[in-house]
Amino acid sequence: IAGITQAPTSQILAAGRRMTLRCTQDMRHNAMYWYRQDLGLGLRLIHYSNTAGTTGKGEVPDGYSVSRANTDDFPLTLASAVPSQTSVYFCASRWTLNTGELFFGEGSRLTVL
Amino acid sequence: AQRVTQPEKLLSVFKGAPVELKCNYSYSGSPELFWYVQYSRQRLQLLLRHISRESIKGFTADLNKGETSFHLKKPFAQEEDSAMYYCALPGGTSYGKLTFGQGTILTVHP
Repeated sequence: IAGITQAPTSQILAAGRRMTLRCTQDMRHNAMYWYRQDLGLGLRLIHYSNTAGTTGKGEVPDGYSVSRANTDDFPLTLASAVPSQTSVYFCASRWTLNTGELFFGEGSRLTVL
Repeated sequence: AQRVTQPEKLLSVFKGAPVELKCNYSYSGSPELFWYVQYSRQRLQLLLRHISRESIKGFTADLNKGETSFHLKKPFAQEEDSAMYYCALPGGTSYGKLTFGQGTILTVHP
């Protein structure tokens, strides 16, 4: 079934540890995004990629990095996790930049202790 | 700067009652607005976009440029409408990004 797959679904992490959240899509979408979801703050964009080989910073990029080596994969890395990064992380993709539905993964719940 | 505001974090109604989820925006230009929904244990998905002018699951949303609003309405709420709803618009200078509001949790009681 075509779509976006995120891994892990859930993770508990000690502060200071490095963590990579994986995101893979098989829809050949050009644009991909990482959002974090926090109650009362909504969805906030962390990083985005308009096409393979390019990335950009979103609203809350500090402490996170991404790469887009190919069309399908868009991993999000926390170099040294902090408790404020406890959140639910959503990967999303869309075919075109100016129109088109945004498709979301199921989310990765991350708890940093 | 582009901004989306959903003033209600929580909204509770009874089954069969009308429901309106508020969304206000600030945007320079002509915006394309969306409503996304997240049902329990499901992923976020597009509910409707103002360009299509369609009704999805009985919901409609009209863009009011004068009031800079895009409220989501349904005349008779159903229990299965209980979910988290997000209003969204393009992120402006960075092409292709969507800016989301804070979200409203709708609970429809039997």
